[in-house]
Amino acid sequence: SYELIQPPSVSVSPGQTANITCSGDRLGDKYACWYQQKPGQSPVLVIYQDNKRPSGIPERFSGSNSGNTATLTISGTQAMDEADYYCQAWDSSIVVFGGGTKLTVL
Amino acid sequence: EVQLVQSGAEVKKPGESLKISCKGSGYRFSSYWIGWVRQMPGKGLEWMGIIYPDDSDTRYSPSFQGQLTISADKSLSTVYLQWSSLKASDTAMYYCARHMGTMTVDYWGQGTRVIVSS
Repeated sequence: SYELIQPPSVSVSPGQTANITCSGDRLGDKYACWYQQKPGQSPVLVIYQDNKRPSGIPERFSGSNSGNTATLTISGTQAMDEADYYCQAWDSSIVVFGGGTKLTVL
Repeated sequence: EVQLVQSGAEVKKPGESLKISCKGSGYRFSSYWIGWVRQMPGKGLEWMGIIYPDDSDTRYSPSFQGQLTISADKSLSTVYLQWSSLKASDTAMYYCARHMGTMTVDYWGQGTRVIVSS
């Protein structure tokens, strides 16, 4: 079955750029999206179709997808961005989530 | 405003059956896939399956196939997730999720916590 691999954790200083990766076989041939989840809350979509931002998501969130890797980039990271982030793709009519990355803003 | 409102928390014993629900409003309910996502305590998101309410076409993750049933009543704008015999390992938060094109989830329910304990 299809798998998406994320690093368990990423740390970033406030104001710096955070990059969270998501790896899967030929992921670049599929659409990737990203969700943010804060403790005790439902996930929120932050990037869809590789690089599109839903209404209300700050411009500092961006995405890319090529080859075997999709990347979520948070520019000028703020304390409020500390959360778990999950990538997701769709393969053979099945949705797959990555294992999640805990972003710590130090 | 699009809303997915889930039924309340449940505490059950192993072997018992359970059916939880997710009611959609603010959009054409029958025209979007609705899925279920499990999150075990302290763990990540796991996609369980989806249903298209208009014709009840249903797809399951191989990891959950045969373990549960997803159904829909489009007249009530409601999707269900049910178990015939719960296990302690079913203890988790369950989210319903509206899927748009390319199966991206654009709206999530508030979650239903299920605790299975003897």
